[in-house]
Amino acid sequence: GAGVSQSPSNKVTEKGKDVELRCDPISGHTALYWYRQSLGQGLEFLIYFQGNSAPDKSGLPSDRFSAERTGGSVSTLTIQRTQQEDSAVYLCASSLNSGREETQYFGPGTRLLVL
Amino acid sequence: KNQVEQSPQSLIILEGKNCTLQCNYTVSPFSNLRWYKQDTGRGPVSLTIMTFSENTKSNGRYTATLDADTKQSSLHITASQLSDSASYICVVSGGGSYIPTFGRGTSLIVHP
Repeated sequence: GAGVSQSPSNKVTEKGKDVELRCDPISGHTALYWYRQSLGQGLEFLIYFQGNSAPDKSGLPSDRFSAERTGGSVSTLTIQRTQQEDSAVYLCASSLNSGREETQYFGPGTRLLVL
Repeated sequence: KNQVEQSPQSLIILEGKNCTLQCNYTVSPFSNLRWYKQDTGRGPVSLTIMTFSENTKSNGRYTATLDADTKQSSLHITASQLSDSASYICVVSGGGSYIPTFGRGTSLIVHP
């Protein structure tokens, strides 16, 4: 398809385990964003990539969270030693460029549940 | 601090009725404002984008207004349909950052 895809769609894990979430942006989009959406809360910015570089990591909540992007395309968000408060929907978005006028196109999200 | 406040938090209306959702923001300097629709289990989808000079923009049954002086926006839905049931999120860009500021959304339920 032509949209942003994310996998897995759902993930249940035990506290203390590591998880990897994947995002495939729209082909040709240079900017990629990760957000977290907790129940009843707004979208919380995590990290933003322009190409393979991450100019803004300010939203990562702790050093257990990391992300990388390779080949200017696929990105993975890794959460180490998961905690119950990490349970949320993790959304990925991409845009053609990183300008403020650019529309972000969102994927369907990965629903993470930490038991 | 850049903030976006939306009201009401939730709204229930009957099919065929109109409704208006509100968004107030403190983001400065202002670049643009978007309304997104997020269906349950899906990612947000952009409905409209408005810049400083635009007062009104329509997308089908959705009409967004912007008052940049009072820093307020509204989203009016005409002749609501069951498929309008979703969360509507106001997003404001600017404030010296490439990262937009998101409101918490208004949850709309349209009953038959």
